[in-house]
Amino acid sequence: NAGVTQTPKFRILKIGQSMTLQCTQDMNHNYMYWYRQDPGMGLKLIYYSVGAGITDKGEVPNGYNVSRSTTEDFPLRLELAAPSQTSVYFCASRSPRLAGDDEQFFGPGTRLTVL
Amino acid sequence: RKEVEQDPGPFNVPEGATVAFNCTYSNSASQSFFWYRQDCRKEPKLLMSVYSSGNEDGRFTAQLNRASQYISLLIRDSKLSDSATYLCVVSYGGSQGNLIFGKGTKLSVKP
Repeated sequence: NAGVTQTPKFRILKIGQSMTLQCTQDMNHNYMYWYRQDPGMGLKLIYYSVGAGITDKGEVPNGYNVSRSTTEDFPLRLELAAPSQTSVYFCASRSPRLAGDDEQFFGPGTRLTVL
Repeated sequence: RKEVEQDPGPFNVPEGATVAFNCTYSNSASQSFFWYRQDCRKEPKLLMSVYSSGNEDGRFTAQLNRASQYISLLIRDSKLSDSATYLCVVSYGGSQGNLIFGKGTKLSVKP
């Protein structure tokens, strides 16, 4: 299993540009999450999905969109990039056996800089 | 607002030392508790879950005090390879398993 994979690893955007961060998992996990981590800060939840076709907002959703058309893929879309979106983006997945008590597996992250 | 607070450190300790990290959380309805480890410029990885009865995994011991909303991690006989940032993490979101992360405590173990 490759686990959770993310592309690209690094990206520099100009203000106002758009991009899609890709996330794929091969563990057949229902639950997937997008986080951002700013320097010296904890991870903050952007969006999450409990299964294909179902997504919901997390703590910091403004400026982002997501879709979940398959179990494997959970892309994150940035529209009109702003310097405040400079961050490291982590995708994660989980397969719940007991509610709220299972490990989240993280991808390696995408480092995004908006100039 | 749901928050998890940690001492940011850094904790600089010699090899073989015992080091303790503390964490408090604000939401009394929080359901599950974890310590994650994050190496520099890497993704977080689960170190251990934390249970009310306390749990141990080799040199690592985690404790939870629900009444005080307090979580701890004890590392005995520190190794150079223990150098990392330790994230205190709390789950509050029911079956969704949504997590709240602390900012992390940085540990540096020196020879």
